[in-house]
Amino acid sequence: GDSVTQMEGPVTLSEEAFLTINCTYTATGYPSLFWYVQYPGEGLQLLLKATKADDKGSNKGFEATYRKETTSFHLEKGSVQVSDSAVYFCALKSNNQGGKLIFGQGTELSVKP
Amino acid sequence: DSGVTQTPKHLITATGQRVTLRCSPRSGDLSVYWYQQSLDQGLQFLIQYYNGEERAKGNILERFSAQQFPDLHSELNLSSLELGDSALYFCASSPGDGGFGYTFGSGTRLTVV
Repeated sequence: GDSVTQMEGPVTLSEEAFLTINCTYTATGYPSLFWYVQYPGEGLQLLLKATKADDKGSNKGFEATYRKETTSFHLEKGSVQVSDSAVYFCALKSNNQGGKLIFGQGTELSVKP
Repeated sequence: DSGVTQTPKHLITATGQRVTLRCSPRSGDLSVYWYQQSLDQGLQFLIQYYNGEERAKGNILERFSAQQFPDLHSELNLSSLELGDSALYFCASSPGDGGFGYTFGSGTRLTVV
């Protein structure tokens, strides 16, 4: 079945460091891909999305490119801030399972001043 | 405020009991989704309703059931509760089938003692 694999956390970075969180997926067809962020005590918030190969999603300085050849959707940010500390989830939506999202296990990011 | 309202925020109940979790979707959204988040299982899709009809089903236990009412709010009923049902239960909504992402509520934390 379809699945999403993320790099394990926690990831600890200093402020202004470069961030990469790896995400790879297994799916039939052409899924849509998403990154969600969850701050402590809150629900998930959509961070960015890409609906077809080579699309780049971007928001709040975060970027991810849908790479079909490597089945990847890695999240990057050039300079992280303390306020970016949260758990990040990669997710996919297949084209034949209604609105169901399949999530990765989440990667906790901690940014130190 | 995401626009998706979940009640109650916290619930503590005993094994064997039954509880009902409530969700009001964002205004205009026709789809409602239920997810369970636990430390060992991560985020698991339970069920989706679209405009009152069941649209997609995940690994929802037979002890669990859900429905979406004509005013589009949804309820998740959990019965014969077990310790392992302790988790965060999230509701999310989207206008259609979630192709552009969902809006999540802040969740209901269920503790079964």
